[in-house]
Amino acid sequence: SQTIHQWPATLVQPVGSPLSLECTVEGTSNPNLYWYRQAAGRGLQLLFYSVGIGQISSEVPQNLSASRPQDRQFILSSKKLLLSDSGFYLCAWRRGGLETQYFGPGTRLLVL
Amino acid sequence: AQSVTQLGSHVSVSEGALVLLRCNYSSSVPPYLFWYVQYPNQGLQLLLKYTSAATLVKGINGFEAEFKKSETSFHLTKPSAHMSDAAEYFCAVSDGGATNKLIFGTGTLLAVQP
Repeated sequence: SQTIHQWPATLVQPVGSPLSLECTVEGTSNPNLYWYRQAAGRGLQLLFYSVGIGQISSEVPQNLSASRPQDRQFILSSKKLLLSDSGFYLCAWRRGGLETQYFGPGTRLLVL
Repeated sequence: AQSVTQLGSHVSVSEGALVLLRCNYSSSVPPYLFWYVQYPNQGLQLLLKYTSAATLVKGINGFEAEFKKSETSFHLTKPSAHMSDAAEYFCAVSDGGATNKLIFGTGTLLAVQP
């Protein structure tokens, strides 16, 4: 069966510090991968998606970037965090050609 | 463009009462529709999905939803609420295309009173 991991689970970072969040998927190959952010009191916003290694599409202009160095690894990064980057970050995967996305446990980021 | 509207950011029901969470969508193409549930500090779990087969969809934990094209709705129901149903519920739509981006509603927080 397939599983999706995210780490860290919780992160507290000062403004201006760098960020690296990791997402990995097990039990499948060539998944489509997604990063979402859930800000307090708001719904989920798609940040990035990837259909293959090195292929990243950005949905909204922002302080964040994403990379996919390996088939089942998706990384969310920032060079300098802003207060507004605080939120709950969710990674999701789906098998190409199928419609359902499956979500990881999430990373809660607090920028102080 | 696709969009989702969830009416009622907070819904409170008594244990054993009917649960009804409303979702209306907008889509220029036949949509795929989803309901996800999120428990505190956890990821999203798929409850059920509509993918152009039967219009009445049954999901996990006794939930079901009916796709009504004429009303552009996909409301979530459960005949009898349980305390463990207290969570946040998200409706989402996608076009099922190559990227299959999900567009989420703003969520409905369900409280179940004893």
